Amino acid sequence: QQQVKQSPQSLIVQKGGISIINCAYENTAFDYFPWYQQFPGKGPALLIAIRPDVSEKKEGRFTISFNKSAKQFSLHIMDSQPGDSATYFCAASIQGAQKLVFGQGTRLTINP
Amino acid sequence: DVKVTQSSRYLVKRTGEKVFLECVQDMDHENMFWYRQDPGLGLRLIYFSYDVKMKEKGDIPEGYSVSREKKERFSLILESASTNQTSMYLCASTIVGREQYFGPGTRLTVT
Repeated sequence: QQQVKQSPQSLIVQKGGISIINCAYENTAFDYFPWYQQFPGKGPALLIAIRPDVSEKKEGRFTISFNKSAKQFSLHIMDSQPGDSATYFCAASIQGAQKLVFGQGTRLTINP
Repeated sequence: DVKVTQSSRYLVKRTGEKVFLECVQDMDHENMFWYRQDPGLGLRLIYFSYDVKMKEKGDIPEGYSVSREKKERFSLILESASTNQTSMYLCASTIVGREQYFGPGTRLTVT
């Protein structure tokens, strides 16, 4: 049972382009939606997170867009750089950062 | 900085062996987690613990057990390793309302 569905599974973007990764969830009780970034040989690390009381959160080149009625949220990476090449996971949870449910992951490659 | 360490980066075991994966965190976090990561499946929760000697099953606990005798240490045990347990295993820790901090992972191969 996959409560958070992530797409695409892999994505190739040219340097300077916009990378977009989408996630959809089923459980309306989720109230915390983080994105994690994982480089090869490393564990995932928190990139940015949003709660459902706002529709957008921006941190530098990274933006989360949140659509509560559609039960969808997405990560946008503006001006994508080769250093952004990594695997990205969306996640969702109830009551803060305990017990996260992760999406399937997206392997992002930024071509120079 | 929070540090979560895992005892091995790479491990090769034979089918039927008992396997121990160790995780240690240095930030006095109450909650600790074990996940397995497989391509196309994301991270799936095996077990988690919210206090010493407390544990709860995650989504895929079959074939695994855990032990938490000290707050900083959380062990994952494969009682009798099987080839379908070949995977990347990730440990994480957190306190309530904060992000999860992950270790670097242990890539386990069962032959």
